[in-house]
Amino acid sequence: ETGVTQSPTHLIKTRGQQVTLRCSSQSGHNTVSWYQQALGQGPQFIFQYYREEENGRGNFPPRFSGLQFPNYSSELNVNALELDDSALYLCASSFGQGRGRDEKLFFGSGTQLSVL
Amino acid sequence: QKEVEQDPGPLSVPEGAIVSLNCTYSNSAFQYFMWYRQYSRKGPELLMYTYSSGNKEDGRFTAQVDKSSKYISLFIRDSQPSDSATYLCAMSVSGAGSYQLTFGKGTKLSVIP
Repeated sequence: ETGVTQSPTHLIKTRGQQVTLRCSSQSGHNTVSWYQQALGQGPQFIFQYYREEENGRGNFPPRFSGLQFPNYSSELNVNALELDDSALYLCASSFGQGRGRDEKLFFGSGTQLSVL
Repeated sequence: QKEVEQDPGPLSVPEGAIVSLNCTYSNSAFQYFMWYRQYSRKGPELLMYTYSSGNKEDGRFTAQVDKSSKYISLFIRDSQPSDSATYLCAMSVSGAGSYQLTFGKGTKLSVIP
């Protein structure tokens, strides 16, 4: 059984550019969530995808967008990068829509994004 | 007031000590409570998951939830240098929103040999 994998591990961009981060879910999982973790902070929920549709979104502007593919892998796209977007971006996968008490979230190692 | 409050530490203890980590929360709708461990430059790793008030034990770890006081704790017995990491509490509502976790800031723990 493979875990959640993310690519790339590190990325450097300049302000105003666009970036795409990728995530492969853990085997058997069909829900993907993305989180942003700034230095010294806990992760913050960006959005969640279930069966290729966004079904939950945190307090992030529309320039943060995503996709989920039929194989349940996912992308996070960020347009018009700002300095404050520098953070560790974490992908997490799970099974189901989160209605069951035993459904848990498993995280990848993240992509460290630096915006200069 | 933040929904989840967690003392960021840092916390430094000698090897073998009992460690107590705590979080308070303000949202009564939170039903699921988790503790994650995060090593430097890694993603969070699920340690404990509970949805009931009371204690849940797993090896050297005990998670405690008091819903009436909106307070959760993680106890680590016989702490080891390998336990040195940042510990994040997380919680969520039930139902379709249960994967939208709200995290504390994390407590950085160092276990000194």
